[in-house]
Amino acid sequence: AQKITQTQPGMFVQEKEAVTLDCTYDTSDPSYGLFWYKQPSSGEMIFLIYQGSYDQQNATEGRYSLNFQKARKSANLVISASQLGDSAMYFCAMREVDSWGKLQFGAGTQVVVTP
Amino acid sequence: DVKVTQSSRYLVKRTGEKVFLECVQDMDHENMFWYRQDPGLGLRLIYFSYDVKMKEKGDIPEGYSVSREKKERFSLILESASTNQTSMYLCASSLSGPLTTEQFFGPGTRLTVL
Repeated sequence: AQKITQTQPGMFVQEKEAVTLDCTYDTSDPSYGLFWYKQPSSGEMIFLIYQGSYDQQNATEGRYSLNFQKARKSANLVISASQLGDSAMYFCAMREVDSWGKLQFGAGTQVVVTP
Repeated sequence: DVKVTQSSRYLVKRTGEKVFLECVQDMDHENMFWYRQDPGLGLRLIYFSYDVKMKEKGDIPEGYSVSREKKERFSLILESASTNQTSMYLCASSLSGPLTTEQFFGPGTRLTVL
């Protein structure tokens, strides 16, 4: 069964606007970690932000923030003030406890930032 | 900076050929992973290794094998390549650590099997 669901295959956003990328997950572990990665057209995966299941506050890293709603099992990524360089594929991933560090990835969301 | 390198960016092989994809990391990471990436499916784990000579199957191991003879190197082997193995292959590595431990990825190998 799919553990990570990203329902938006693609999105267009105008430069300087904010965009929210949806991610829902499924786990019965009380302890888990959620990651967001960016993949530009060059192909390399770039780590953006991390949220732990026990973290009291939503994670933030510069223009990236995570809207973490534990009861709803959602971990949406918010990119504020979009830039042309934000055009990329974005992946949500989850790591469960005792998983040898394995990540489960969603299908990804393609973001295109327009001038 | 952590560096994960993969032997080729692009590779074209024929059906039935034996294919080796090599991955090397330079940060003494215990864990190494091989994923394949296909449109609409995201990244799926093929195999991973948590120590030298140790390997575990991921979600889609069929048609693949791996080798880890040295800590820094993790090889993915396609014993007899088939057209349905045409894909992007990504290698990653990480320390053994808490949930916060991120994986570092290589640039990927785009494999085409004709």
